[in-house]
Amino acid sequence: GESVGLHLPTLSVQEGDNSIINCAYSNSASDYFIWYKQESGKGPQFIIDIRSNMDKRQGQRVTVLLNKTVKHLSLQIAATQPGDSAVYFCAEGGTYKYIFGTGTRLKVLA
Amino acid sequence: KAGVTQTPRYLIKTRGQQVTLSCSPISGHRSVSWYQQTPGQGLQFLFEYFSETQRNKGNFPGRFSGRQFSNSRSEMNVSTLELGDSALYLCASSLDRGHQETQYFGPGTRLLVL
Repeated sequence: GESVGLHLPTLSVQEGDNSIINCAYSNSASDYFIWYKQESGKGPQFIIDIRSNMDKRQGQRVTVLLNKTVKHLSLQIAATQPGDSAVYFCAEGGTYKYIFGTGTRLKVLA
Repeated sequence: KAGVTQTPRYLIKTRGQQVTLSCSPISGHRSVSWYQQTPGQGLQFLFEYFSETQRNKGNFPGRFSGRQFSNSRSEMNVSTLELGDSALYLCASSLDRGHQETQYFGPGTRLLVL
């Protein structure tokens, strides 16, 4: 398979703090990127996307930053809530498929 | 609008058996992709279908196959099941996965091979 899914890194944040989840992508030619959230027992849920002609995009409480120079994506979650606890994946759009990153587990501490 | 639905949600099979999983995409979506998710390998792409044609395939053995029907519903089949096929199988749909399209995922089918 093409995705890397080894040990899942974990980010623990205090409720109310901001969270930053990072992702490195592999293909410099990729022009579309998505962040997904996956809760236990569920399929990945779309959070936000960004095209390569942008370097920042904001949604409700979430911001995605794209740095094409170093092939890096980040997802910022403002005022993290307990309901944000999940595994977060970045995905880069390839030809007729996505390539997913390893995933990061976000734990929100009360 | 209803989301992506997958049936069955849970399945237990024994080695050597075969299994068929079903996916109904979001209404109007014509592209359906399948992924295998395991703790060790993460999310891995299996194949993608559009208008009943397979457009891309991941690095899986020929035991894994799929098809798409004229109503965009899709099935995937795994023959001669192995223990390592135990995984969550996810289906995702999009209007057209040709370029810069968001994929929406179903809840998955959890397959356990004993």
